[in-house]
Amino acid sequence: EPEVTQTPSHQVTQMGQEVILRCVPISNHLYFYWYRQILGQKVEFLVSFYNNEISEKSEIFDDQFSVERPDGSNFTLKIRSTKLEDSAMYFCASGYEQYFGPGTRLTVT
Amino acid sequence: ELKVEQNPLFLSMQEGKNYTIYCNYSTTSDRLYWYRQDPGKSLESLFVLLSNGAVKQEGRLMASLDTKARLSTLHITAAVHDLSATYFCAPREDSNYQLIWGAGTKLIIKP
Repeated sequence: EPEVTQTPSHQVTQMGQEVILRCVPISNHLYFYWYRQILGQKVEFLVSFYNNEISEKSEIFDDQFSVERPDGSNFTLKIRSTKLEDSAMYFCASGYEQYFGPGTRLTVT
Repeated sequence: ELKVEQNPLFLSMQEGKNYTIYCNYSTTSDRLYWYRQDPGKSLESLFVLLSNGAVKQEGRLMASLDTKARLSTLHITAAVHDLSATYFCAPREDSNYQLIWGAGTKLIIKP
């Protein structure tokens, strides 16, 4: 069964640094999403991506965030200048049915 | 804007008992998801409910959807310890397909 993969599983970075979180969605899917979950809290929508462009984004997804599908397979989330409050699990979801990847735990120190 | 309310937020129960988790949402939605999350893990899809009156069952879990009442339920029958986890409901916005998440119900089942 095809699955969504995410790398790295855990990323530790210093405040102000840029990070790129990577997702490999299921190959024939057209819709992709990023969500985040701060420890112990609910899941929050960040952005949806369709036809190589952002279709929706939440208030959380401000100018420090960007998404790309650089090579037709990877789907990346970039955070330009990380803040302490960006520490969370980041989940990628693939497809109309929204299959979730295992997540990347981002820790900003 | 779609809002989701789950209750209870925390549930501790004995093995063998039955219980129901409720998910109310505020506006129309064309489908609703239930996910399970173990501590520190990803989100495992349990059910996708697509229409009014939909009922799906998997093992000791049964989910239902009443779109008119904007209510979904997740019923646990004869609970076992392995079902201990946090359960999230997430209806999907009609307009943009994004999932709007409930706060989660942390379920602890004591042997």
